[in-house]
Amino acid sequence: DVKVTQSSRYLVKRTGEKVFLECVQDMDHENMFWYRQDPGLGLRLIYFSYDVKMKEKGDIPEGYSVSREKKERFSLILESASTNQTSMYLCASTESRSYEQYFGPGTRLTVT
Amino acid sequence: EDKVVQSPLSLVVHEGDTVTLNCSYEVTNFRSLLWYKQEKKAPTFLFMLTSSGIEKKSGRLSSILDKKELSSILNITATQTGDSAIYLCAVQASGTYKYIFGTGTRLKVLA
Repeated sequence: DVKVTQSSRYLVKRTGEKVFLECVQDMDHENMFWYRQDPGLGLRLIYFSYDVKMKEKGDIPEGYSVSREKKERFSLILESASTNQTSMYLCASTESRSYEQYFGPGTRLTVT
Repeated sequence: EDKVVQSPLSLVVHEGDTVTLNCSYEVTNFRSLLWYKQEKKAPTFLFMLTSSGIEKKSGRLSSILDKKELSSILNITATQTGDSAIYLCAVQASGTYKYIFGTGTRLKVLA
């Protein structure tokens, strides 16, 4: 049974802080994704990674960076948090030949 | 630009009703369409439809892909309060790792 975990369920940060969101999957999946989910906008892709140290920008990468040093771990970094980054952040992973994405429980980030 | 549109945005029904949720897409080189159910946490996978598998069924839920109309429907029969959730549709194109999500349909089933 695939498990995707995220480091925090709820997080409150101040404007300008550097924020790290961590995601770990235990099924040796090649592909990992970071999305944010906002009411009325659905899930929007921030970044994805198809291998260790490989990353590609999604649809809304501005203000974010990512790191994938190990296959099981994909980190999302907010270099200088802003209030418009208040959102639900979801991590997902897939095998390279699988269509199904497995999601983590999400991190609800509030930037004040 | 690739896009996925879901309708209706929200729906309120009573237990026992049948509902049909819609998903239409514009994607270059379609590969697959996926349906997810999201309650208060992570989306959970329901179905995957491809050109070689255009109809899926599981219990009271079923889904059909219409390749000609570039759309899919998700049917739920004999709805229960536990079906209350956001239903998400996502589409993947060939040659890409990306999934494009619709905004979702929020379903509420009243007892």
